[in-house]
Amino acid sequence: NAGVMQNPRHLVRRRGQEARLRCSPMKGHSHVYWYRQLPEEGLKFMVYLQKENIIDESGMPKERFSAEFPKEGPSILRIQQVVRGDSAAYFCASSRDQGAGVEKLFFGSGTQLSVL
Amino acid sequence: KQEVTQIPAALSVPEGENLVLNCSFTDSAIYNLQWFRQDPGKGLTSLLLIQSSQREQTSGRLNASLDKSSGRSTLYIAASQPGDSATYLCAVNGGYSGAGSYQLTFGKGTKLSVIP
Repeated sequence: NAGVMQNPRHLVRRRGQEARLRCSPMKGHSHVYWYRQLPEEGLKFMVYLQKENIIDESGMPKERFSAEFPKEGPSILRIQQVVRGDSAAYFCASSRDQGAGVEKLFFGSGTQLSVL
Repeated sequence: KQEVTQIPAALSVPEGENLVLNCSFTDSAIYNLQWFRQDPGKGLTSLLLIQSSQREQTSGRLNASLDKSSGRSTLYIAASQPGDSATYLCAVNGGYSGAGSYQLTFGKGTKLSVIP
């Protein structure tokens, strides 16, 4: 039973390029969450998605960042025109249900984005 | 706005010692609290989940307590081993107006080193 799968593990981009981060949730999970961990900082919530729906993107920067979770395939976090400040570890988590705060989140191994 | 603080930031102990990691949060209206372990270059592993109605949870050598009224949680590790070396993260679910029951607020973690 595979866990949450993220790829790539490491991604290097030059300033101005686009970064695409992928996340496949655990089998049977239909809720996906993206978190970002900046150097020396705690993980910060970015966005919560269900299949074909963005439920809450309050933690995501308004510009250059977008996320999707299509009916088929993985969830994608897209960062356009990357800047050095986007360098961070991006973690994806999934859960079976949202529930009333009772669900345990399962995290992937993360994608380390480095912007040159 | 919910804030989570973990003390100490780093801890080094000899193998075999019992130890306590501390976590405090500013808003006691939480759904639950989770302790995670983060190994370098890897994802987060959920260790213990304590619901707001519970006072403690145990798993093997780990025991986590929750005092919601005072905004505190502790993670107790008995008979520490070198394999316990990792960063331990505390995360609370909910606790501020408008937050969904899915949003985790993380502390910056305690980096534990167990010396053989």
